[in-house]
Amino acid sequence: QVQLVQSGAEVKKPGASVKVSCKASGYTFTGNFMHWVRQAPGQGLEWMGVLNPTGGSTSYAQRFQGRVTMTRDTSTSTVYMELSSLRSEDTAVYYCARGGVRYSGDPFDYWGQGTLVTVSS
Amino acid sequence: DFVMTQSPDSLAVSLGERATINCKSSHSILYSSNNMNYLAWYQQKPGQPPKLLIKWASSRESGVPDRFSGSGSGTDFTLTISSLQAEDVAVYYCQQYYSSPVTFGPGTKVEIK
Repeated sequence: QVQLVQSGAEVKKPGASVKVSCKASGYTFTGNFMHWVRQAPGQGLEWMGVLNPTGGSTSYAQRFQGRVTMTRDTSTSTVYMELSSLRSEDTAVYYCARGGVRYSGDPFDYWGQGTLVTVSS
Repeated sequence: DFVMTQSPDSLAVSLGERATINCKSSHSILYSSNNMNYLAWYQQKPGQPPKLLIKWASSRESGVPDRFSGSGSGTDFTLTISSLQAEDVAVYYCQQYYSSPVTFGPGTKVEIK
């Protein structure tokens, strides 16, 4: 069965960076794009970007351009999302979510369990 | 960007009664070449990730109870829960995946009256 297992909760100081991992199993890792979505406490869902596991190409939401980096390790079927220059407004649960075979044009059929990132001095 | 709006923000429905959630896109998400609407509905329970319920506006995911149904086309869509059960208490989000960036509606909270 498809599983996306994310790394554990993080507490970071303002200005620091955080790197969240998402290990995929139960399907062909390079067969589906992987998206990252975040959810601030009590708020809705915000798309951050997407990675193509085959070549590693990415597409980021404009508001995160320059601060977010998505990478992958095909040997371990793991994708990573690194967010830099953290501020308090980045406190949120970060989810990886499996998409389809293109940057957009498919829903997200499996989600990781979420990783809480808390930014606090 | 495509802006998704939902109404109402929240609703309280008696057990066994119908719940209806509306979603509107700022632009049409009907792709003319395949006549498909690029609209999904997700259910999110407290402390859990979202769960895909419906894709292509009206296609239920495997395992989703048939009391959940989706309808609509172009810019206006509806999620209907025909007979609300206690386990349906959740926040429901619509999402367009027609255009990047994909965008979500703000969510509708469904509670028991």
